[in-house]
Amino acid sequence: DIQMTQSPSSLSASVGDRVTITCRASQSISSYLNWYQQKPGKAPKLLIYAASSLQSGVPSRFSGSGSGTDFTLTISNLQPEDFAIYYCQQSYSTPQVTFGPGTKVDIK
Amino acid sequence: QVQLVESGGGVVQPGGSLRLSCAASGFTFRNYGMHWVRQAPGKGLEWVAFIRYDGNNKYYADSVKGRFTISRDNSKNTVSLQMSSLRVEDTAMYYCARDRIRLGYHFDYWGQGTLVTVSS
Repeated sequence: DIQMTQSPSSLSASVGDRVTITCRASQSISSYLNWYQQKPGKAPKLLIYAASSLQSGVPSRFSGSGSGTDFTLTISNLQPEDFAIYYCQQSYSTPQVTFGPGTKVDIK
Repeated sequence: QVQLVESGGGVVQPGGSLRLSCAASGFTFRNYGMHWVRQAPGKGLEWVAFIRYDGNNKYYADSVKGRFTISRDNSKNTVSLQMSSLRVEDTAMYYCARDRIRLGYHFDYWGQGTLVTVSS
């Protein structure tokens, strides 16, 4: 099974900050890496697919990069509505995908 | 617009059964594979099961294999999850999600979830 790790597990940031979240796979997954945002009491929402492609309707302050085993999600100019939990997901072994443990972004 | 609406959650005793349903609308359901994903209270996301667009292939997480069965009815635009031999650790919010293939695979739409509580 492909294991996913994320760092940090949580972070505190201010509105306007640039935030970077890292995701690492236990083996190479090429670019089969997706990012989701989840707010309290809500379903996850797709932000980035294929490591760096922005899902339709998602603000351009969200960006993704990486390939192989190491990936990053960057939020530039953090907005109040961005405080949430972010999950990476590998789809290399689809349909048996695995998610990272999540990174909680909260207000400093 | 695409909508996925889950139903069927509730409280059940350990060893019991429950059937979840997900009603889809706003897209050509028969063209898409569908997943179930769950989230235990305060925990992360866990993939549970997948069914191909035509229902001919089904896959399960090891944690539910042999106990859960995914199915779909393309005439009614629904996907279901039959859960049996339920355990306390199956307690979670259960989401259905649509599988999209574009530069890889991802879940582009999710339902709002239905809560399953396994407790005596």
